[in-house]
Amino acid sequence: AQSVTQPDIHITVSEGASLELRCNYSYGATPYLFWYVQSPGQGLQLLLKYFSGDTLVQGIKGFEAEFKRSQSSFNLRKPSVHWSDAAEYFCALTTIKAAGNKLTFGGGTRVLVKP
Amino acid sequence: DAMVIQNPRYQVTQFGKPVTLSCSQTLNHNVMYWYQQKSSQAPKLLFHYYDKDFNNEADTPDNFQSRRPNTSFCFLDIRSPGLGDAAMYLCATSGTTGLGEKLFFGSGTQLSVL
Repeated sequence: AQSVTQPDIHITVSEGASLELRCNYSYGATPYLFWYVQSPGQGLQLLLKYFSGDTLVQGIKGFEAEFKRSQSSFNLRKPSVHWSDAAEYFCALTTIKAAGNKLTFGGGTRVLVKP
Repeated sequence: DAMVIQNPRYQVTQFGKPVTLSCSQTLNHNVMYWYQQKSSQAPKLLFHYYDKDFNNEADTPDNFQSRRPNTSFCFLDIRSPGLGDAAMYLCATSGTTGLGEKLFFGSGTQLSVL
């Protein structure tokens, strides 16, 4: 069975600093990977996704993620964090065998932004 | 404008007292999902509807039921809530169940069980 691990439960970053969130997955073949963001009091919003092709994926709000097969990772990055980026971030995967487009989520990383 | 709307935002119920959570959508999507997200945990899929076809996850307890009377509405019924059912319940929609189809989430209903 597939799984997603986000090693960092909380990350605190200063406004304007760079941000990297880690995501590792376990699956026997190539997964289809996603990053979602959940702002306080709101639902999850898709930031970006990777299916194939270029391993560096650009998303909304200035985020990007890089797929590294050798490391089974799909880390999310942003060069300069804004206060509005304070939220919880979820990495997720689905597979070609997953019925109903089922997503398997990681445990999430909560990002706090210091002024 | 909200496209997936969940009501209420907060719901308090008593141990063993049936409770219903509601979700509506303005996207005319075929698929509606219910996820359970316990504190500091990942969202976990309970079930989904493709049109009127109900698809239950294997490990979803029988205590959880769902109804979809029409395209726009979907309900989550918890027949006898236990303390362990306290969680955020997220409704989501997608146009199809195609690989990688984008999911649109509601803001969730936070359920407390006293």
